[in-house]
Amino acid sequence: SYVLTQPPSVSVAPGQTARITCGGNYIGSKNVHWYQQMPGQAPVLVVYDNSDRPSGIPERFSGSNSGNTATLTISRVEVGDEADYYCQVWDSSNEWEFGGGTKLTVL
Amino acid sequence: QLQLRESGPGLVKPSETLSLTCIVSGGSISSSHYYWGWIRQPPGKGLEWIGTIYYSGGTYYNSSLKSRLTISVDTSKNQFSLKLSSVTAADTAVYYCARHSVESTRFDYWGQGTLVTVSS
Repeated sequence: SYVLTQPPSVSVAPGQTARITCGGNYIGSKNVHWYQQMPGQAPVLVVYDNSDRPSGIPERFSGSNSGNTATLTISRVEVGDEADYYCQVWDSSNEWEFGGGTKLTVL
Repeated sequence: QLQLRESGPGLVKPSETLSLTCIVSGGSISSSHYYWGWIRQPPGKGLEWIGTIYYSGGTYYNSSLKSRLTISVDTSKNQFSLKLSSVTAADTAVYYCARHSVESTRFDYWGQGTLVTVSS
């Protein structure tokens, strides 16, 4: 199976920029999707196909993907952005893989 | 607006079979554009893809669960189901159903999730 590696936690002050990484072997050749999960709620798609945003997701959420690392960037972080974030890809073995998740703390 | 809702027992005994159904409303499960999947999340842990089905019945399973897993679809009822046999405490989790598109690999609509506890 294809392994996705995320840092367990990221901390940032309000108004600053948060960057959450997702590492994988040649992940730059795959489409990466990102989900936000608030406590007790289902995940919500915030970035898909590396850098596209679903309707209703603020422009503050953006993504990039190159080489062995994909990155979710949250600009002008708000207290309400505090959540768990997961990256996800589809592997050529016909399996859908999630990263281990990153807890974003807004200090 | 598409909605997915998981239903099934919240408590299953060890060694028995966990059975859940996802009821889809606001859209057809028979669309050729979408797959339908199951994802689970053990308490305090991350997301794990379980398996996926197409309206025609074609399936993809997580290799680590494949020997215990059956996913089926009932297009007449607009729903799909999950059966996981020989469960243990390690199968205790919130189980989500979700839609994902054939052309994209993202999960764009999710159910609210249902907690299934494996305990005697």
